[in-house]
Amino acid sequence: EPEVTQTPSHQVTQMGQEVILRCVPISNHLYFYWYRQILGQKVEFLVSFYNNEISEKSEIFDDQFSVERPDGSNFTLKIRSTKLEDSAMYFCANRLDGGASNEQFFGPGTRLTVL
Amino acid sequence: SQQGEEDPQALSIQEGENATMNCSYKTSINNLQWYRQNSGRGLVHLILIRSNEREKHSGRLRVTLDTSKKSSSLLITASRAADTASYFCATDGGGSNYKLTFGKGTLLTVNP
Repeated sequence: EPEVTQTPSHQVTQMGQEVILRCVPISNHLYFYWYRQILGQKVEFLVSFYNNEISEKSEIFDDQFSVERPDGSNFTLKIRSTKLEDSAMYFCANRLDGGASNEQFFGPGTRLTVL
Repeated sequence: SQQGEEDPQALSIQEGENATMNCSYKTSINNLQWYRQNSGRGLVHLILIRSNEREKHSGRLRVTLDTSKKSSSLLITASRAADTASYFCATDGGGSNYKLTFGKGTLLTVNP
């Protein structure tokens, strides 16, 4: 069964450093998302991406964040200058298309630790 | 309360018992999805119920949806120790992005 993969599984970085989190979505899916979950809290929407552009972003997704699909397969989330409060689990998700019955499939997550 | 609030926050039962978790939401939805998360791990999709459906089954899972009350319930029958996890409801508000809004989750502990 196709699945979403994410790398790395765990990233430790120093405050102020740039990180890139990578996701390989399910191949024929059209909608892509990033979510995050701070330890002990609920999963929060960051950004959605469709037709090679951002379709919606949350208040969390400020100028320090960016997403792209550089090669039509990988989907990346970049944080330019990490802050302590960026420490969280980051999940990539994708959805087949716009039908009402289509679930979002999540990757296993990248645990980001900012020191 | 916030969109997608589950209750109870924590539930502890014995193996073999049924577990019921509830979820309430505030805005209109396209569908509602339940996910499971083992401690510190990824989100596993369990079941999706569309806004025009009232009940859905999948194995030992039964989900109901009451759009007039903006609430859903997840029933796990004949629970097993391996069902121990956090369970989240997530609402898909439709629109053009189908983003999910998650609740805070119910931590289910099934004691052997």
